[in-house]
Amino acid sequence: EVLLEESGGGLVKPGGSLRLSCAASGFTFSSYTMNWVRQAPGKGLEWVSSITSYSSFIHYADSVRGRFTISRDNAKNSLYLQINSLRVEDTAVYYCARLFSSSPPLGLDYWGLGTLVTVAS
Amino acid sequence: DIQMTQSPSSLSASVGDTVAILCRASESIGSYVNWYQHKPGKAPKLLIYAASALHSRVPSRFIGSESGTNFTLTINNLQPEDFATYYCQQSYSSRLTFGGGTKVEIK
Repeated sequence: EVLLEESGGGLVKPGGSLRLSCAASGFTFSSYTMNWVRQAPGKGLEWVSSITSYSSFIHYADSVRGRFTISRDNAKNSLYLQINSLRVEDTAVYYCARLFSSSPPLGLDYWGLGTLVTVAS
Repeated sequence: DIQMTQSPSSLSASVGDTVAILCRASESIGSYVNWYQHKPGKAPKLLIYAASALHSRVPSRFIGSESGTNFTLTINNLQPEDFATYYCQQSYSSRLTFGGGTKVEIK
């Protein structure tokens, strides 16, 4: 069974930092492009970042570029998101999600339940 | 970035109804559109990929179609478990983008 489990969320002050983790199991983690997607309270889904299977290609949304860093450790079946210079508008549930296929690029077929990041003073 | 304009933002329907949700891409993206169902407190669920392919274990009442840069999710014979928020998403660009969402509520 494919499982993705996020952790690392919490309450942080503006300007602070957090490191989110996503533990993957039930599939060959190193074969898949992985993504972070977030949902702010009362808002829709927003794609944040993606990283290909061996970290060759990394992409970010404009809203987080320069502040967020995605990485992965295939030996540990884990995905990470380092989030710095946090802003109130970064408050959201952060999901990790697997890209069904990279070539051609298809949908996000498995998601975790998310971890909540709250940015407030 | 490719913009996905989704409409309506919400709709009310009854069990057994047929509903349609539209998504318009800001440029040509082939068939690289996917549809998701999301319920509060749950993980989003992939319903349709590549505009019209049904993901595994998704009921056949969910139908995806396309016409140029317009994409439609149709739900036939709406069931109680279908009341949720639905999102389109493009995967043509590596910088994925979602539509704004459509909340399907019980009339």
